[in-house]
Amino acid sequence: IAGITQAPTSQILAAGRRMTLRCTQDMRHNAMYWYRQDLGLGLRLIHYSNTAGTTGKGEVPDGYSVSRANTDDFPLTLASAVPSQTSVYFCASSEDNHSPGNEQFFGPGTRLTVL
Amino acid sequence: GQNIDQPTEMTATEGAIVQINCTYQTSGFNGLFWYQQHAGEAPTFLSYNVLDGLEEKGRFSSFLSRSKGYSYLLLKELQMKDSASYLCAVRDSNYQLIWGAGTKLIIKP
Repeated sequence: IAGITQAPTSQILAAGRRMTLRCTQDMRHNAMYWYRQDLGLGLRLIHYSNTAGTTGKGEVPDGYSVSRANTDDFPLTLASAVPSQTSVYFCASSEDNHSPGNEQFFGPGTRLTVL
Repeated sequence: GQNIDQPTEMTATEGAIVQINCTYQTSGFNGLFWYQQHAGEAPTFLSYNVLDGLEEKGRFSSFLSRSKGYSYLLLKELQMKDSASYLCAVRDSNYQLIWGAGTKLIIKP
């Protein structure tokens, strides 16, 4: 694989169900991010990880959890899905989060619908 | 609060030039990024500015004025494939990106 992959591509989920969105990168980037993108709004940061073993809360963390057991993987879990979590979810990575010009690379996204 | 403003939508003609503006108010400033996002796809990096002035990359240029909290993306010789949304993002004092809602650019033949 090259870059960032996400799975699944899309999912329809019943409210109250638990769901894990997967994200894997092979660029050995230290920093990884989860965003949600909703119509008319900018990308909003859910959680981030500056390096393996550490995570932090972004702008909209409620209802979501993450883990970063190794450099490559950064799964996002919805413990009990609600309809307001219907969105497109993007995983991204960068070499680190502070060097000038370090751009973020994005995965293809997961389109999640909670009914 | 933190705020990034961009026009919602713009229309331009193939072969022409278009300027997409972005104004920002953030807690701290550690650089401004422009990304392109085609419908149904992931954002892809276009440009980065941290110092005042113009950065040119082929048909695309980006300008920054930190004192005015202002940037623009200039697209020259527009092609149909440039139809996309253009996202402005500012890295704040916590080194996190704050994103604008994006400008949808429609190119007409």
